[in-house]
Amino acid sequence: LAKTTQPISMDSYEGQEVNITCSHNNIATNDYITWYQQFPSQGPRFIIQGYKTKVTNEVASLFIPADRKSSTLSLPRVSLSDTAVYYCLVLNSGYSTLTFGKGTMLLVSP
Amino acid sequence: NAGVTQTPKFQVLKTGQSMTLQCAQDMNHNSMYWYRQDPGMGLRLIYYSASEGTTDKGEVPNGYNVSRLNKREFSLRLESAAPSQTSVYFCASTNRGGGWTEAFFGQGTRLTVV
Repeated sequence: LAKTTQPISMDSYEGQEVNITCSHNNIATNDYITWYQQFPSQGPRFIIQGYKTKVTNEVASLFIPADRKSSTLSLPRVSLSDTAVYYCLVLNSGYSTLTFGKGTMLLVSP
Repeated sequence: NAGVTQTPKFQVLKTGQSMTLQCAQDMNHNSMYWYRQDPGMGLRLIYYSASEGTTDKGEVPNGYNVSRLNKREFSLRLESAAPSQTSVYFCASTNRGGGWTEAFFGQGTRLTVV
């Protein structure tokens, strides 16, 4: 099971781009990188998943370098409503469970 | 399409009382999970059910039991509640097969044991 490391917290202002980096040095060949978002008093929700290079959806972009030892979740032009905890997970179909670390607490200020 | 539904949303128990947290999903998922989340902490896995008819312990199973009643429902039971079990409990479901699909979480049950 690949261990992930991400910052405990980050601060930003409305309208800025936020990049949250996750390191996963022992990622396996068949591992995927997945990010979840959790608002206060709610369960986590899936944001994005990728294997390599770049993945983009309506919420975020995920950048994965060629060595796949890290990944960066990019949130364009954040708003106050993006204040949440963001979790980076590395997993493959051989795993039975979803294991969450402590995540990154993103605080967006006016 | 309700997704994952947890009941109750809030509960206060006295030490030693028992209760069952209910979870149901309507997405035909094969895997279901119970997590607890304490203030300032990430989610810790209590028990999971990889498929109907199977259950396995997670990281923090002591003091809990589970039942996978059918494909839709996965309940968590506290036989003798303790103050250390005060937490927010989340149920989740997903499909595992050739690869992971998106996991869906319920809204949580906020449990206080006094």
